[in-house]
Amino acid sequence: GQNIDQPTEMTATEGAIVQINCTYQTSGFNGLFWYQQHAGEAPTFLSYNVLDGLEEKGRFSSFLSRSKGYSYLLLKELQMKDSASYLCAVMDSNYQLIWGAGTKLIIKP
Amino acid sequence: GAVVSQHPSWVICKSGTSVKIECRSLDFQATTMFWYRQFPKQSLMLMATSNEGSKATYEQGVEKDKFLINHASLTLSTLTVTSAHPEDSSFYICSARVSDRVAGNTIYFGEGSWLTVV
Repeated sequence: GQNIDQPTEMTATEGAIVQINCTYQTSGFNGLFWYQQHAGEAPTFLSYNVLDGLEEKGRFSSFLSRSKGYSYLLLKELQMKDSASYLCAVMDSNYQLIWGAGTKLIIKP
Repeated sequence: GAVVSQHPSWVICKSGTSVKIECRSLDFQATTMFWYRQFPKQSLMLMATSNEGSKATYEQGVEKDKFLINHASLTLSTLTVTSAHPEDSSFYICSARVSDRVAGNTIYFGEGSWLTVV
């Protein structure tokens, strides 16, 4: 079966760095997405990785290793507004998105 | 980036009535759109995949006669919840896929629609 695993909840301190991991097993691979979702709102796109390596976008970076079925989202200089759920999703061979359950990130002052 | 607009953001309807939610891609053509449902504190659940000009593909357990999906143009897909009941109250979200030769595939989401059935 297809499976996406990510931690349920993480806590970090304002100004610090946090890494949210995601491992996957899917039927084919057409890219991995990270989304941010604040409570009561739709997800917003953060990143898309289809090749191995690190993609940096401001305070957010995303890494992919296809051979290991592994990705992480790195958030630097954490701000209180970064408190949200972070969703990992993989696009399979049928171009369907397979979703992880999301990681709730709690930022403390 | 690409923009997907969803309307209405909030809707309250009486039990037994039908309600339509629209999903528009504003600055690109979306051959494929997706409809999700999300109950509080739960992950997104894919309801159906909508391809322009053809019938939607529904996920297992989703009633196609209850959740009518129409994707008549490359920029508009609609979800109609027919004979709504209180248990249909949920957050409904659409997304559209953009395929680009350079960037590959990206999925953009609408703002979501809160449906409350009373």
